[in-house]
Formats: sequence, structure tokens, C-alpha cells
Amino acid sequence: EIVLTQSPATLSLSPGERATLSCRASQSLISFLAWYQQKPGQAPRLLIYDASKRATGIPARFSGSGSGTDFTLTISSLEPEDFAVYYCQQRSDWPRTFGQGTKVEIK
Amino acid sequence: QVQLVESGGGVVQPGRSLRLSCAASAFSFSTYAMHWVRQAPGKGLEWVALISYDGVNKYYADSVKGRFTISRDNSKNTLYLQMDSLRADDTAVYYCARETDGYNDYWGQGTLVSVSS
Repeated sequence: EIVLTQSPATLSLSPGERATLSCRASQSLISFLAWYQQKPGQAPRLLIYDASKRATGIPARFSGSGSGTDFTLTISSLEPEDFAVYYCQQRSDWPRTFGQGTKVEIK
Repeated sequence: QVQLVESGGGVVQPGRSLRLSCAASAFSFSTYAMHWVRQAPGKGLEWVALISYDGVNKYYADSVKGRFTISRDNSKNTLYLQMDSLRADDTAVYYCARETDGYNDYWGQGTLVSVSS
């Protein structure tokens, strides 16, 4: 099973700041990685797929990068609605696995 | 717009069974693979199962293999998850999700399953 390790567990930032979230895989994913955002009481929302492609309707302040085993989600300037938990997920192999999540909280 | 609505959750005793349903609308259900993903209270996301668009191919997480069965009825635009031999650690919100290009682009609101004596 591919293990995804996200860091940091919690990121404390202010609105307008830049957020950088990391996801490291236990083996190469090529580029088969997605990022999801989840707010309390809501279902996850697809942000980025294939490491760097923005899903439909996702603002340009969200960007993804990386390949192989190291991936990054960047939020260029945090808006109030961006404070949430973010998960990475791989589709390179079965079973599909998620990272444990990074919580982006208001400082 | 695409809609996925789960139902069938509730409180059940350990060892008993429960069947979840996911009603899909506003898209061509029979042409999409579908997933179940769960989230234990206060925890992260755990992928549970996948079924191909035609129901032929199915994949399961090791934690549910042999106890859970994913199925679909394309004539009713409905996805199912039959859960047998339920355990306390199956307690979670269960989401159904559509797959596009290998990822989950639409999710339902979830249904809570609580396994407790």
C-alpha cells in the first residue's frame, strides 16, 4: 500500500499569506496525485488532479506541483474561505490512499 | 447539476448488516465508475471501494474486503454498499463519489453509520 505523508499537520497563517502544503509518497506516483479541501460538516472538494491541473471552478490562487514522490499544494494568498483541512490522494495503485490531512487555521 | 444523495445509515449492533444507497442524478450514471469513501469521527478520509461503470470490476480496501460488497443498478441510477459483519471501527460517515479521470470530482453529503451495542 502506498503511504502518503502530509506536512505540516497544522499550518497557522493569516488571511493574505501564502500557504505551502507538502505530500510525500512512499513510492513514485508519477503525477497521479490529487488534492482535496474539506470544511467542517462538508464533503471533500476536488481542487487539483494529476498533480498540477486545477479542477473545474477552482480559483487560480490554488496551484499544485511535483512529481514522483514529492508534491506541493500552494495557496498564493489565503482568503477567509480557504481555512480548512486539505488531503492528498493517489491513484497510482490499489488501494487508493489518502494522506492524513493538513489543517490550515487562522493565526 | 450533478447530485449524489446517500441514505441508509443509522445505528447498528456489532456483527449486524446494513445497506447504504447512493442516488445519482443529472449525469449519465451508467458511464462513470463510482466509489465509497468513509471518514471516522474526527479522523481523515479512508477509501473503501470502487465499482466500474458497468459493474464488472470491483476493488476494496483490505479493511473491508470479504465483509463489504459494492454494487450498482444502472437502470435506477443507484450505487449500493452492502456492509456485513459490522465492527465498531466501521463507524464513520460514508460518502459516495463519482470518478472522472481517476479522481473523485463529485461527492454526496454523506450518511453516518454508527456501530454500537
